[in-house]
Amino acid sequence: AQKITQTQPGMFVQEKEAVTLDCTYDTSDQSYGLFWYKQPSSGEMIFLIYQGSYDEQNATEGRYSLNFQKARKSANLVISASQLGDSAMYFCAMREGRILTGGGNKLTFGTGTQLKVEL
Amino acid sequence: ETGVTQTPRHLVMGMTNKKSLKCEQHLGHNAMYWYKQSAKKPLELMFVYSLEERVENNSVPSRFSPECPNSSHLFLHLHTLQPEDSALYLCASSQERSPDQPQHFGDGTRLSIL
Repeated sequence: AQKITQTQPGMFVQEKEAVTLDCTYDTSDQSYGLFWYKQPSSGEMIFLIYQGSYDEQNATEGRYSLNFQKARKSANLVISASQLGDSAMYFCAMREGRILTGGGNKLTFGTGTQLKVEL
Repeated sequence: ETGVTQTPRHLVMGMTNKKSLKCEQHLGHNAMYWYKQSAKKPLELMFVYSLEERVENNSVPSRFSPECPNSSHLFLHLHTLQPEDSALYLCASSQERSPDQPQHFGDGTRLSIL
């Protein structure tokens, strides 16, 4: 069984500072993928960044980077130069290793971290 | 234009009512998903449709009935719901056999059961 753990229910960061949101995972699959999503109070889930288990480089997308430590099974999200608009819920998710033909791409989500950016 | 559109955005219904949630994707994807998001719980996958066939039903009560008439549309038919069914229902789509591509989500339908 797969499991995603996000141990920080809430985080505060000052504007323009960097913040790290923690995510650890548990899987016996060799091939898997990790995703981070942002959910503002309006409800939509916005894709931020992806890391494949075989990717040797840490993923980066603008101000977002993923600190991928495979041996520790962690995939922490780093947001640099925080902005007020970054205040939202952040979810870490893992794609199941087996790619089933005709099975879709099932994701397992963590419980999320509520980030508040302050002036 | 939003890639995945859900209607309605908000729905209040009594336990004896019948209603439907609608999801439409304009991304050319061929897999669609229904998730339930309750307060302080992880997203729960309810149903997966791939190439218009249901491939996953995560022990969801029969009072939830999905329908996928084509690869662009997904419905969730609701009847005789319970108060614990109040939640945000999210629809998502993705491209089959592209596991490194994310699922794209709609804005969700916030459902309240009286």
